[in-house]
Amino acid sequence: AQRVTQPEKLLSVFKGAPVELKCNYSYSGSPELFWYVQYSRQRLQLLLRHISRESIKGFTADLNKGETSFHLKKPFAQEEDSAMYYCALRAIQGAQKLVFGQGTRLTINP
Amino acid sequence: NAGVMQNPRHLVRRRGQEARLRCSPMKGHSHVYWYRQLPEEGLKFMVYLQKENIIDESGMPKERFSAEFPKEGPSILRIQQVVRGDSAAYFCASSPPVQGRAKNIQYFGAGTRLSVL
Repeated sequence: AQRVTQPEKLLSVFKGAPVELKCNYSYSGSPELFWYVQYSRQRLQLLLRHISRESIKGFTADLNKGETSFHLKKPFAQEEDSAMYYCALRAIQGAQKLVFGQGTRLTINP
Repeated sequence: NAGVMQNPRHLVRRRGQEARLRCSPMKGHSHVYWYRQLPEEGLKFMVYLQKENIIDESGMPKERFSAEFPKEGPSILRIQQVVRGDSAAYFCASSPPVQGRAKNIQYFGAGTRLSVL
């Protein structure tokens, strides 16, 4: 079975501070990992996918197969980063469906 | 490209009524996915459709729920005889045709918030 766990429902940091949103997964096969973000009053949109290995809006995430983690990081938080963040997993072989974590609400304080 | 369009944005139904949720995928996309988000939870996969075919319905409740994606027109998620527990946000996503073994990004609509009184 595929499962994604985001242990923090709420995370609050000050502007300029580093941010790390945790994501752990369980899946016996090869996973594809994503971070989706939902800003206030906007639709869910893709932020990062691990196979792209790119930085978007200053965020990076590295897939750690040993620790089965895909934590999202940003060295200096900005107020516009306040949003709901969802980690998601998809099997590389087989099903197209995404399995989502519960989400972390990130608040950046001025 | 207007993106994935869902309507209505908000739907109120009384117990026992039927709810119909519509999803128009992005232009050029032939794959549609439905997800449900209960309060305080993440999105849960329900069903994956291509034009005129249900590919994966492993997340659909066995009763009262059905989905279709006809050759013409939007995808429809239908919930018959709604109960209070059906109150949730229902999200649709679409992706372009899969090329070989590659899989594509899913683009999400704004969702339909169903409230059952």
